[in-house]
Amino acid sequence: GEDVEQSLFLSVREGDSSVINCTYTDSSSTYLYWYKQEPGAGLQLLTYIFSNMDMKQDQRLTVLLNKKDKHLSLRIADTQTGDSAIYFCAEITDGQNFVFGPGTRLSVLP
Amino acid sequence: GAGVSQTPSNKVTEKGKYVELRCDPISGHTALYWYRQSLGQGPEFLIYFQGTGAADDSGLPNDRFFAVRPEGSVSTLKIQRTERGDSAVYLCASSPRGAETQYFGPGTRLLVL
Repeated sequence: GEDVEQSLFLSVREGDSSVINCTYTDSSSTYLYWYKQEPGAGLQLLTYIFSNMDMKQDQRLTVLLNKKDKHLSLRIADTQTGDSAIYFCAEITDGQNFVFGPGTRLSVLP
Repeated sequence: GAGVSQTPSNKVTEKGKYVELRCDPISGHTALYWYRQSLGQGPEFLIYFQGTGAADDSGLPNDRFFAVRPEGSVSTLKIQRTERGDSAVYLCASSPRGAETQYFGPGTRLLVL
């Protein structure tokens, strides 16, 4: 079945880069996503990548996709305290069914 | 423009009661999704509407859960005979086309005592 895994916690210092990793199992994934969730707020779409791409960059965010290893990563350059949140990796397969990972809680230390 | 809105923002009910949770999608979005997010977990897919019809309800956990979208806009998630295990945040999302551009609402936090 479909499964998405992430490490649960990450701490970085302000100004450093953060790298959040995700692995998925469904090789038929068409799109892969990163969402951000701040306390008490809904999910905010950060970026997504189509499965035939291996990299996508958007300002401070870089997404890398290794389809062979089914590994997705999100790099946040120059991490700020406002980046503290839970980051969810998600995949969509041949249907319309999103499968989310458990989320990585990013803590940014001053 | 206005985003996805959900009401109520919080709902406390007693075990065995019936609850309705409402989702107002972004105007013009044809696709609507419901998810359930338990504490410390990622959202779990429940049901997906394309227009008025439920295109995929495979995520509904059992027959106590039901959702409607009679006019292709507002949707209501209905839970009968609530159980303590139903306590979670229920998230709604809408999309103008397919799932690749889902926009989420703030969620309804349901607590069953």
